[in-house]
Parts: sequence; C-alpha cells; structure tokens
Amino acid sequence: EAGVVQSPRYKIIEKKQPVAFWCNPISGHNTLYWYRQNLGQGPELLIRYENEEAVDDSQLPKDRFSAERLKGVDSTLKIQPAELGDSAVYLCASSLRVEDTGELFFGEGSRLTVL
Amino acid sequence: LAKTTQPISMDSYEGQEVNITCSHNNIATNDYITWYQQFPSQGPRFIIQGYKTKVTNEVASLFIPADRKSSTLSLPRVSLSDTAVYYCLVAQYSSASKIIFGSGTRLSIRP
Repeated sequence: EAGVVQSPRYKIIEKKQPVAFWCNPISGHNTLYWYRQNLGQGPELLIRYENEEAVDDSQLPKDRFSAERLKGVDSTLKIQPAELGDSAVYLCASSLRVEDTGELFFGEGSRLTVL
Repeated sequence: LAKTTQPISMDSYEGQEVNITCSHNNIATNDYITWYQQFPSQGPRFIIQGYKTKVTNEVASLFIPADRKSSTLSLPRVSLSDTAVYYCLVAQYSSASKIIFGSGTRLSIRP
C-alpha cells in the first residue's frame, strides 16, 4: 500500500515568491494534517482536515498561508509571499478518523529554502 | 493540553537496552501516550501507544505507571540504525484534540 506522498521534495525560492506543496494521503484516510518542522525542533501543527473541512487552522498564519483539500482527498498548502523565516520542512500526515486511532502516517516532507 | 518533558539527547552503545523517559504531569483522563521515531530527511514514524501499564510490540515496550504522570519507552538491544529523534506525545483522540509534538530526544547509538 502506498504511503503519504508529498511533492516537491525540495524547493528553493527567493523571498516574496509564491510556493505550493502537494499531498496525497493514504487511501481511505479521512484526516489530513500539515505540519511545519524547523531545524532541530519537533513538527508544529499548521492545519488539520476532517474530510474536506478544516477543523483546526488556529496555527496557520493566514496572512500568507492557505490550504485546501479538494473532495476530501489531496491537499495543497500555499505560501504567498514567502519570507526567509518560512524555510523549513513541511510535513503532511494522514490518519483514519482521529477518534479511531492515534497513529499518524507521515510523508517524507517538502524542504523549503527561502533565499 | 498536556505538556511533555523529555531529555534533549541520550547516547548509548550497540546491544544495550535504552530507556527514554517522558514526563507528562498534567495528563488528562482521556489522554493516550504515543511515541514516534524520526530519522533525518524523513517524517516521524509511529512506534507504540498506550494508556496504562505495559505495552509491547516488535519494536519497543512502553511502561506507564499507575499515576500516568510519566512513561518510559524501552528499546531492547539497540543498533546503529536506532539513531534517531524520539518524540513523546499525549493526546485525546477526539475531534477536538490537537496532536502536538515537543522537541524530542535525540538518541545516538555508537558502535
């Protein structure tokens, strides 16, 4: 069974440019998460989806970050415009209904470098 | 939200048993304890989860005392490939819960 797929793996952009990350969760997983991980730190939750509904986006910097999950499957996280401090690894994870299990399945992440 | 405290780093040698302890003094009745492992350039990977007493799987054991204010992840006979960051999380798996990672414990295994 395929795991969580993310793209691109690496992205280098100049500040003020836009960037987008894509995530394809495990088939059948209703819950999807986007985390941001800075160097040497644990993942920080940005947004959580239950199907197509964003149920927790309190940590998403909404002035420049946006996310969507079309049809409750794939998801896209966008940053516009990017700032130097956005350099990090962006991780996508999915799980069955959050009430059913505590196991999150993570993708390999998308490493963003903003110059 | 239960906050967890774990050592920043630990060192051990191949073949040894490694125990990583996590403190979660404010754990709630409905919170579960979950441990994840993360290798460089990869996302975290679920290791084990428990609520109370002891849980064992093919990878590790998780010991939880009766008061649940701490937990210990035990890795038997570690190898070089166990070098990774280990995260302890406590969370209720409900629609309102947040699954929050701390800074983790960086485990280094030496030959």
